[in-house]
Amino acid sequence: QQQVKQSPQSLIVQKGGISIINCAYENTAFDYFPWYQQFPGKGPALLIAIRPDVSEKKEGRFTISFNKSAKQFSLHIMDSQPGDSATYFCAASQETSGSRLTFGEGTQLTVNP
Amino acid sequence: GAVVSQHPSRVICKSGTSVKIECRSLDFQATTMFWYRQFPKQSLMLMATSNEGSKATYEQGVEKDKFLINHASLTLSTLTVTSAHPEDSSFYICSLRGAANYGYTFGSGTRLTVV
Repeated sequence: QQQVKQSPQSLIVQKGGISIINCAYENTAFDYFPWYQQFPGKGPALLIAIRPDVSEKKEGRFTISFNKSAKQFSLHIMDSQPGDSATYFCAASQETSGSRLTFGEGTQLTVNP
Repeated sequence: GAVVSQHPSRVICKSGTSVKIECRSLDFQATTMFWYRQFPKQSLMLMATSNEGSKATYEQGVEKDKFLINHASLTLSTLTVTSAHPEDSSFYICSLRGAANYGYTFGSGTRLTVV
């Protein structure tokens, strides 16, 4: 019930292309769905987050799409750049109860120039 | 806002010694603190959670006597790896959460190498 499944494990995209990473969850009590970007040797940094009262959130080139009935959410990176090459983690939590984040397995994104 | 400082960023220690990692919130009061361990090319694994004024709650399989967590104040949490062994070599990351703001702020991580 606490799992968050993330795919793909790795992704290679050409510069300017769209990167899409998908996550699925089981616990319907989750109410906070963030995406984190992590560079080698650094801690995760919050990229964008969504709550289940909306189906989409966009911040610059990054968009989260959220499907509550399917219990799925995805990250879209438009106009992908080599600087976007990093590991991306989706996560979920029952934020209102202060519970821990449950992380997906991570996606290694490589954007070729 | 929501800045977390984690030190040291890298540490190398001899087997059998202890290492302390500090995590400070610089601009908010952290009511809940989380410590994670991350092995290469893997996701973050939660080790323990500590709330203000209470002892840390450890995840299954994490030795509480080996990984000592002190939620010293609303701005400081420490993780001490006692009697470190090479298998404890990993990337340790703290995460803090305040009462007033949603979200989880992560430290920059500590690369521990035990030789």
